[in-house]
Amino acid sequence: EVQLVESGGGLVQPGGSLRLSCAASGFTFSSYWMHWVRQVPGKGLVWVSRINSDGSSATYADSVKGRFTISRDNAKNTLHLQMNSLRAEDTAVYYCARQYSYGLFDYWGQGTLVTVSS
Amino acid sequence: QSALTQPASVSGSPGQSITISCTGTSSDVGGYNYVSWYQQHPGKAPKVIIYDVTKRPSGVSNRFSGSKSGNTASLTISGLQAEDEADYYCSSYAGSNTWVFGGGTKLTVL
Repeated sequence: EVQLVESGGGLVQPGGSLRLSCAASGFTFSSYWMHWVRQVPGKGLVWVSRINSDGSSATYADSVKGRFTISRDNAKNTLHLQMNSLRAEDTAVYYCARQYSYGLFDYWGQGTLVTVSS
Repeated sequence: QSALTQPASVSGSPGQSITISCTGTSSDVGGYNYVSWYQQHPGKAPKVIIYDVTKRPSGVSNRFSGSKSGNTASLTISGLQAEDEADYYCSSYAGSNTWVFGGGTKLTVL
């Protein structure tokens, strides 16, 4: 059974940093592109970042470019999102998702809440 | 990277059909056949119900169908059931390995 479990969320002050993790199991993690998608509570989904299967290529939404870094450890079946210079508007539930194809995010984690507040 | 445009809400009675639109541009919806639709119940993770514009994942009811014309994609739910009440989001590949989601549509089953 495919499982994605996020962790690392919490309360952080503006300007601070946080590192999210997504533990994957039930599939060959190293074969799939992975994504982070966020959702402000009560609002819509917003694509954040994507990384290719071997970690050599990443892309970001303009809103996080230069502040967030996506990475992966295929030996540990884990996806990461390093978030620096956090702002109040980064407050959201962060989901990791597996990409099956360009048009399909087929599995999602349950999300981890990041709150940026003083 | 502007969000795709969806109606904020739609409603229908059990047994009826509803359609949710998703409007983008020629750089996303109109440029690729990589539109997907996700259903999200409160407090839950999104679940894919349509991908590649018209395809249904295994296990998803055939009451859900997708289509696209130009820069607008559509999700149709036929034979509305109470459990269909949820938020629905469209998504599209937007080129250069970026993706974009719609703002979401709240479906109310009356």
